[in-house]
Amino acid sequence: QKEVEQDPGPLSVPEGAIVSLNCTYSNSAFQYFMWYRQYSRKGPELLMYTYSSGNKEDGRFTAQVDKSSKYISLFIRDSQPSDSATYLCAMSGGSGGSNYKLTFGKGTLLTMNP
Amino acid sequence: NAGVTQTPKFQVLKTGQSMTLQCAQDMNHNSMYWYRQDPGMGLRLIYYSASEGTTDKGEVPNGYNVSRLNKREFSLRLESAAPSQTSVYFCASSGTGQQPQHFGDGTRLSIL
Repeated sequence: QKEVEQDPGPLSVPEGAIVSLNCTYSNSAFQYFMWYRQYSRKGPELLMYTYSSGNKEDGRFTAQVDKSSKYISLFIRDSQPSDSATYLCAMSGGSGGSNYKLTFGKGTLLTMNP
Repeated sequence: NAGVTQTPKFQVLKTGQSMTLQCAQDMNHNSMYWYRQDPGMGLRLIYYSASEGTTDKGEVPNGYNVSRLNKREFSLRLESAAPSQTSVYFCASSGTGQQPQHFGDGTRLSIL
């Protein structure tokens, strides 16, 4: 089993829809969870950063972490053309892990339909 | 607000040539990282530097060397380039503790 699983897509949604992106993981030591957005020919850009379980909201973006299920989600409300990108989940360990090592999902390609 | 700056942006090499990729950050971060990104493989850590004066191997270090020149700069060297090293290379940096990493826009390297 891979440490982090992420559906590569592509995921095509109409503008204005709510988008749901997900990752599952197997390492129970992960404590810190991130979502990055990567536009074509650009570097990953940090969108959301959360610690342990719970929800975090920032504008149109909501990150959810369910450590009991080893499942994280990113929701995008009122999706816009500028949301077309690849979304990468990433996570790292707490006291049992190492702060240098981010484990990434392979990314989900999201495209918006006008 | 430059963040993490990588040079060059594009490079084509012949097999056996050497090359140094440069990275500089202006966020006063202690830790710096080099990744490669390949289709279907995701981001893989090559080397990292937890602080100035230290470097350690990541997941795929073979064929690469690094130098942490000072707190701002971290370079990646290919001594004898191979076609398997054709990739997009990203540099990242982070603060102390469990801080998230911030990435540059990458160097696209092709080796013929």
